[in-house]
Amino acid sequence: NAGVMQNPRHLVRRRGQEARLRCSPMKGHSHVYWYRQLPEEGLKFMVYLQKENIIDESGMPKERFSAEFPKEGPSILRIQQVVRGDSAAYFCASSSRTGNTEAFFGQGTRLTVV
Amino acid sequence: DAKTTQPPSMDCAEGRAANLPCNHSTISGNEYVYWYRQIHSQGPQYIIHGLKNNETNEMASLIITEDRKSSTLILPHATLRDTAVYYCIVRVANGNQFYFGTGTSLTVIP
Repeated sequence: NAGVMQNPRHLVRRRGQEARLRCSPMKGHSHVYWYRQLPEEGLKFMVYLQKENIIDESGMPKERFSAEFPKEGPSILRIQQVVRGDSAAYFCASSSRTGNTEAFFGQGTRLTVV
Repeated sequence: DAKTTQPPSMDCAEGRAANLPCNHSTISGNEYVYWYRQIHSQGPQYIIHGLKNNETNEMASLIITEDRKSSTLILPHATLRDTAVYYCIVRVANGNQFYFGTGTSLTVIP
């Protein structure tokens, strides 16, 4: 059973471009979480999704950021018009259900904006 | 925000038990205590979680006080590969986000 897969592992974008980060949850998992970790800082919650629904986006910046988890395919975190401050590691986690169960994390996508 | 308090850093001799404390004095009755660790800049790794009974798995043991206001993660025989930042997390009642605080940076010394 493969773990949470994130791709790409490293992504370089120029300022103003779009960044698309993909997350394939573990098999059988229908809940996805996205976190951001700035250099030398802790993990910050961004958004929690179930299939086709955004459940909690309280940690998402109000502009330029969006997330989806379609019925088929991976979850996508999309950042439009990237700026240097978006450079960070973005981690995705998945779980099988809500409530008190563990979530498993991917190895992250490291976004560098030049 | 994080509902837990952890010491910022700890050292442990290789081969000895590492005991990482966590205070969660405002924990609610239906909230679990989770432990994760992050080795260097890898993705966080799940370790263990529990409600009120002590728990043990192949990685660690979790000891939760009777009043549930604090807990201790025990790595029975620390190795150099256990050097990481350890996060104690109390999950909110509706089971959504995991809030990561600042964690404890554990250094295992040869």
